[in-house]
Amino acid sequence: DAKTTQPTSMDCAEGRAANLPCNHSTISGNEYVYWYRQIHSQGPQYIIHGLKNNETNEMASLIITEDRKSSTLILPHATLRDTAVYYCIVRVDQNQGGKLIFGQGTELSVKP
Amino acid sequence: GAVVSQHPSRVICKSGTSVKIECRSLDFQATTMFWYRQFPKQSLMLMATSNEGSKATYEQGVEKDKFLINHASLTLSTLTVTSAHPEDSSFYICSAFNGYTDTQYFGPGTRLTVL
Repeated sequence: DAKTTQPTSMDCAEGRAANLPCNHSTISGNEYVYWYRQIHSQGPQYIIHGLKNNETNEMASLIITEDRKSSTLILPHATLRDTAVYYCIVRVDQNQGGKLIFGQGTELSVKP
Repeated sequence: GAVVSQHPSRVICKSGTSVKIECRSLDFQATTMFWYRQFPKQSLMLMATSNEGSKATYEQGVEKDKFLINHASLTLSTLTVTSAHPEDSSFYICSAFNGYTDTQYFGPGTRLTVL
């Protein structure tokens, strides 16, 4: 399974964009990048996923580099409720049923 | 379809008893569900993959006779912690795979405390 590397923690000012980086230099061609976040004592919440192209939804944008070795999750206007642990996960081939292996994630603190 | 529920949300039991946790996908069918465990200040650890109508696949180091998994329908998987001990106290989280959206959705978790 491809491993990911994320900063342990980050701070962001409320109202500003939060850019969360993730390195996945050993990613294979058929492996997707998924982002989830976990607010304390809750189950992880799905944010976004992608393979090669940049993706955007109502929550965030995902920018994947052309060589696919890294990606950035962008929360365009961070609020205090975005304070959470953010997990970048490389999922193995779908034949394995979408198995996800969680790393340590990035603890994002949004400050007033 | 992205809603997954768990029941109970919190359970306290005596050492040596068994506890059953239910995981339901409410608005989609899931042939595959997953069970995770999370200790304080740690990340989620995958315990097993639950496939509807077949035996679960356990991750290395997870005792299959202690953590019984049943996936009897496309919307329900259960995890039974047998002969629970204090070291089994943890936050148990399930997820369900939605093949249509190609995404796993997580339940809210179950806090198990074994006295």
